[in-house]
Amino acid sequence: GAVVSQHPSWVICKSGTSVKIECRSLDFQATTMFWYRQFPKQSLMLMATSNEGSKATYEQGVEKDKFLINHASLTLSTLTVTSAHPEDSSFYICSAISGIVTEAFFGQGTRLTVV
Amino acid sequence: GQNIDQPTEMTATEGAIVQINCTYQTSGFNGLFWYQQHAGEAPTFLSYNVLDGLEEKGRFSSFLSRSKGYSYLLLKELQMKDSASYLCAVLDSNYQLIWGAGTKLIIKP
Repeated sequence: GAVVSQHPSWVICKSGTSVKIECRSLDFQATTMFWYRQFPKQSLMLMATSNEGSKATYEQGVEKDKFLINHASLTLSTLTVTSAHPEDSSFYICSAISGIVTEAFFGQGTRLTVV
Repeated sequence: GQNIDQPTEMTATEGAIVQINCTYQTSGFNGLFWYQQHAGEAPTFLSYNVLDGLEEKGRFSSFLSRSKGYSYLLLKELQMKDSASYLCAVLDSNYQLIWGAGTKLIIKP
């Protein structure tokens, strides 16, 4: 099946710094990528949807200046958490779809801890 | 608004059968997914239903009734490794995935 690679798997950073998370579709062209955040014991919360070559669409309540999303190619999307704070600590997951959707392919997730 | 309901938690015995229900109200419908998620890991795909009826895949089966806005995931011959959260998600008319809160399944020996 299709593979989505997300990197890094986990990261610890200091408060105030920025962290970039990459999401790559390895064997297909991802026309749309989704970024989710998941807090412990909760379901996936959609943060934003990005289509290749266009600006991301952010969900209500998600700060677009804080969570920068770039989808520069059909195989790569990045999420940058800027000026991270401890409350940004969470599990971030990307997902990609291509063309006719019969499955959403997920990256492995990134555990972010801000200290 | 869009809404997906599934039980918060279920408990079952190893070797038994369990059915996890999901009801939905969404803006349009382009299919329903079931995903399994172990703690600290990304979800893994289990099934996709877009037509009414039952789809069987090994120990797991998924059923869909579009007229009732209802689906269930059936797990047979339960194993301890099946302890996980099971997420129901619907693809709406804008091809957005709407996620349920997930059902935590606890398997007891």
